[in-house]
Amino acid sequence: GDSVTQMEGPVTLSEEAFLTINCTYTATGYPSLFWYVQYPGEGLQLLLKATKADDKGSNKGFEATYRKETTSFHLEKGSVQVSDSAVYFCARRNQGGKLIFGQGTELSVKP
Amino acid sequence: DTEVTQTPKHLVMGMTNKKSLKCEQHMGHRAMYWYKQKAKKPPELMFVYSYEKLSINESVPSRFSPECPNSSLLNLHLHALQPEDSALYLCASSQLAGVDTQYFGPGTRLTVL
Repeated sequence: GDSVTQMEGPVTLSEEAFLTINCTYTATGYPSLFWYVQYPGEGLQLLLKATKADDKGSNKGFEATYRKETTSFHLEKGSVQVSDSAVYFCARRNQGGKLIFGQGTELSVKP
Repeated sequence: DTEVTQTPKHLVMGMTNKKSLKCEQHMGHRAMYWYKQKAKKPPELMFVYSYEKLSINESVPSRFSPECPNSSLLNLHLHALQPEDSALYLCASSQLAGVDTQYFGPGTRLTVL
């Protein structure tokens, strides 16, 4: 069935380090892909999205490119800040319209 | 403006209590959703409303009763809950069900004693 696989956390980085969080999805059709972020004690916020192959979503210094050939949507940021500490969820929409989430990756950025 | 609001922020209830969670959006969205999220897990879909009608019930126990009184409001009525129902309850909305980006509210942290 439809699924999303994220790299396991927690990921611990120093401030200004480069961030990559891997995400791959099962290739049923051409789903829209999303990254959501959940800060401690809060709900989910849409971080970025891409709706077709080779689209690049970007927001707040984060980027992810929809790669059909590798069925991936890896999240990257060039220089993380302490305020980026959160849980990041990759998600795809299945053909029934439901959001399928990955397990989440916890990021901790140390000063 | 992509704001979804939820009240209350925190709720503590006993197993015999009846309480309600409220969600509101003013983006003109016609689809609204309830999710349940346990600690360190992704959200799990519970219900979907499309044009104020229930379109998806993910086999949720009847102690959870959703209601959509109008296109901007979504309620979740709670009765005879169990301690394992303690979780973060998230509301979301989208322009249309199943095809548009979902925007989430801040959630209600529910504790059942």
